[in-house]
Formats: sequence, structure tokens, C-alpha cells
Amino acid sequence: AQSVTQLDSQVPVFEEAPVELRCNYSSSVSVYLFWYVQYPNQGLQLLLKYLSGSTLVESINGFEAEFNKSQTSFHLRKPSVHISDTAEYFCAVSLYNFNKFYFGSGTKLNVKP
Amino acid sequence: SQTIHQWPATLVQPVGSPLSLECTVEGTSNPNLYWYRQAAGRGLQLLFYSVGIGQISSEVPQNLSASRPQDRQFILSSKKLLLSDSGFYLCAWSGRGRRDTEAFFGQGTRLTVV
Repeated sequence: AQSVTQLDSQVPVFEEAPVELRCNYSSSVSVYLFWYVQYPNQGLQLLLKYLSGSTLVESINGFEAEFNKSQTSFHLRKPSVHISDTAEYFCAVSLYNFNKFYFGSGTKLNVKP
Repeated sequence: SQTIHQWPATLVQPVGSPLSLECTVEGTSNPNLYWYRQAAGRGLQLLFYSVGIGQISSEVPQNLSASRPQDRQFILSSKKLLLSDSGFYLCAWSGRGRRDTEAFFGQGTRLTVV
């Protein structure tokens, strides 16, 4: 069975500070890894994904995540956050063959001025 | 380009009433389709997924059912709503090809059962 654990339910941070949102997963088979972002009362938008190759993946708005197979982690980082990054972030895994997606419980990032 | 439509955006229903939420996808064929529920503090729970017309898999036992009467239409239903059915319901789709690796979400339906 697959599971995704997001260790922090809420992360408060000041604007321009760095942030890391943690994600660990467990799976008996190979998976793809994703980070999605959700703004209030909206659907989820893909932020970035890891499929294969380089273990460091980046988004267009400055976020990056690193796949660590030995620690089964896929933490999301940004060196300097902006007020507009305030949202809820979800880590997810999908199975190679079945495209079923399993999500973590989410981390609410609150960027303060 | 592909789009996903989900409606209604908000819904307030009394306990014991029926439910029908609809989701349609445009611009693609033979997608995988999903219904998720998001409850406060509990993340996204996969309720149903479908790999084709009439093919529905349920992930958790519950008061809800799903149907896929057409290739790009996915419906979430209940005969009698419970208070515990309140939540934010999200429909999603993903492609079938080797390069189709991510899920695309609708804007969600906020259901409040009163």
C-alpha cells in the first residue's frame, strides 16, 4: 500500500525567509512524486513533479524539490518566499502503471509580512 | 487544450436528501477519472477512480457512489446524505499515455449538509 506523510500541518514564515515543507512516502512499488498547490476554495494546481533522472526538480516560481530514495522523501523548498506563496501544499505519489494518485494531508504555508 | 468542468461550485443540502455532482472533461479521450474528498485537516481522500465507461473502483466504503455514463463524464451521487458527507469534493483526470503522468483538477464543489 502507498502512503504519503506531510509532517507539518502549518508552517508560518516571514516574507523573504527560506522555507522547507516536508514530505515522506512509502510504497512497495516505484512511484512518481508531485507537489500540488491549492489556493482557497480552488482546485489543485501542479507545482512540480519527479519522474526520473535528476533528483532535483524546479518550478517556474522558484520552488524546488529533491527526491531522496534512501530516505523516501520529497521535500519542497524555496529560498525566499513571497506573500503570494500563501496557500496549502500537497505532496502526492502515483503508481507507474495505474495512475492512481495518493495525497498527503497538506501543509498550510502562511507567509507574513 | 484540455479542460475540466465541475459543478455546482457550492451546495447546501439537508440530511437525507439525494446528491448529484457532475464532472466533465474536454479536449481528451479515454481519460482516467477521479473523485476526491477534502475534509478539514485530513488532506485529499481518493473516493473513486475510473479507467473507462462503466468501470468504477471504490477506495473506501461510504455513503456515496460514482458512475461514468460517458467517456468524459463522471458523476458522484448519494441517495441519502449524511452530515459526515460535508466537505470539498474534487474531480480530476489523468491521461493514459506514458507521458501522461499528472492529474488535473476541477475547481471543486463545497458541499455542506445541514
